[in-house]
Amino acid sequence: DIQMTQSPFSVSASVGDRVTITCRASQGISSWLAWYQQKPGKAPKLLIHAASSLQSGVPSRFSGSGSGTDFTLTISSLQPEDFATYYCQQVNSFPITFGQGTRLEIK
Amino acid sequence: EVQLVESGGGLVQPGGSLRLSCAASGFTFSNYWMNWVRQAPGKGLEWVASINKDGSEKYYVDSVRGRFTISRDNAKNSLFLQVDSLRAEDTAVYYCGRPDGYRATDVWGKGTTVSVSS
Repeated sequence: DIQMTQSPFSVSASVGDRVTITCRASQGISSWLAWYQQKPGKAPKLLIHAASSLQSGVPSRFSGSGSGTDFTLTISSLQPEDFATYYCQQVNSFPITFGQGTRLEIK
Repeated sequence: EVQLVESGGGLVQPGGSLRLSCAASGFTFSNYWMNWVRQAPGKGLEWVASINKDGSEKYYVDSVRGRFTISRDNAKNSLFLQVDSLRAEDTAVYYCGRPDGYRATDVWGKGTTVSVSS
């Protein structure tokens, strides 16, 4: 199984800050990676697919990069609505696996 | 409007069974693979199972293989998850999801809650 390791586990930041979350796969997954945002009590929301393609309707302050084993999600200028938990997910092969999540909190 | 609506969750004793359903609307259901993903209370997301467009291919996470069965009825635009031999660790919100062309889940239901307790 492919293990997905996110870091940091949690991060505190302020509105306007730039934040980067990393995700590492235990083996190469090409660009078969997605990023999701989840708020309490809600279903996840797709932000990025294919490692770097912004999902329709997602603000351009979100961006993704990477391929192979190392990936990043960057939020260029945090907005109040961005405080949530973020997950990476590999969809290269079954079993599909998620990272453990990164909680983004208000400083 | 593209929509997924889950139902069928509830409180069940260990060893019990439930049949979760997911009603799809607003898109051509038979053109898409479908997933179930779950989230235990206070925990992260866990992929549970996937099924291909015609139901001939099914994949499961190891922890549920042999106990859970994913299926679909394309004529009724419905996805199912039969969950048997339930354990306390199966307690979670169960989401159905539609993967896009890049295999990422771009449409999610709101979830249905399964609680396993005596």
